Amino acid sequence: QVHLVQSGAEVKRPGASVKVSCKATSYTFSAYGIVWVRQAPGQGLEWIGWISGNNGNTKYSQRFKGRVTLTTDTSTDTAYMEMRSLRSDDTAVYFCARDNSENFYIDWLNPWGQGTLVTVSS
Amino acid sequence: SVLTQPPSASGTPGQTVTISCSGSSSNIGGIVVNWYQQFPGMAPKLLIYLNDQRPSGVPGRFSGSKSGTSASLAISGLQSDDEADYYCAAWDDSLDGWVFGGGTKLTVL
Repeated sequence: QVHLVQSGAEVKRPGASVKVSCKATSYTFSAYGIVWVRQAPGQGLEWIGWISGNNGNTKYSQRFKGRVTLTTDTSTDTAYMEMRSLRSDDTAVYFCARDNSENFYIDWLNPWGQGTLVTVSS
Repeated sequence: SVLTQPPSASGTPGQTVTISCSGSSSNIGGIVVNWYQQFPGMAPKLLIYLNDQRPSGVPGRFSGSKSGTSASLAISGLQSDDEADYYCAAWDDSLDGWVFGGGTKLTVL
């Protein structure tokens, strides 16, 4: 069964960086992309970006462009999301999810990782 | 949120509840809609994909539809287990990224 397993919770100071991992199992990693989404406490879902599992091509939400870097390690089938210059309002649960189509117009996200809580506090 | 959902919906056991999702020509109007179900403290789970398709394991009580720039999720035979947050999502051609509705909290009275 396809699974995405994320790294554990993090507590960071404002201004620091965090790197969250998302390890994929039971499918061909290079055949699909990985999407990152976050959810602030009590809030809805917000798209951060997408990375191809095949060639590392990326797309970023304008809101995070320049502050977030998405990467993959195809030797371990793991995707990473690094966010820099953390602020208190970056406190959220960060999810990875697999896309299912080469065409974004007919795509969906499934499955999802279990989520990683990132707390930014002084 | 780019996609607009009602913040809350409710119904009694056995009833049918419909949750709407309104977008524009750059997302729902030309692109498929997906729906996700999320329980507190859990990751979202795919409920409906490609407008009206159910993944294996999702009961037939859940159905999706799309018309123009709007989509709907219908839940028939409402059960207490259906209490959750529901999100619509689609790719947005203008933003070149995924967009989500603000979520609808479903309460079973």
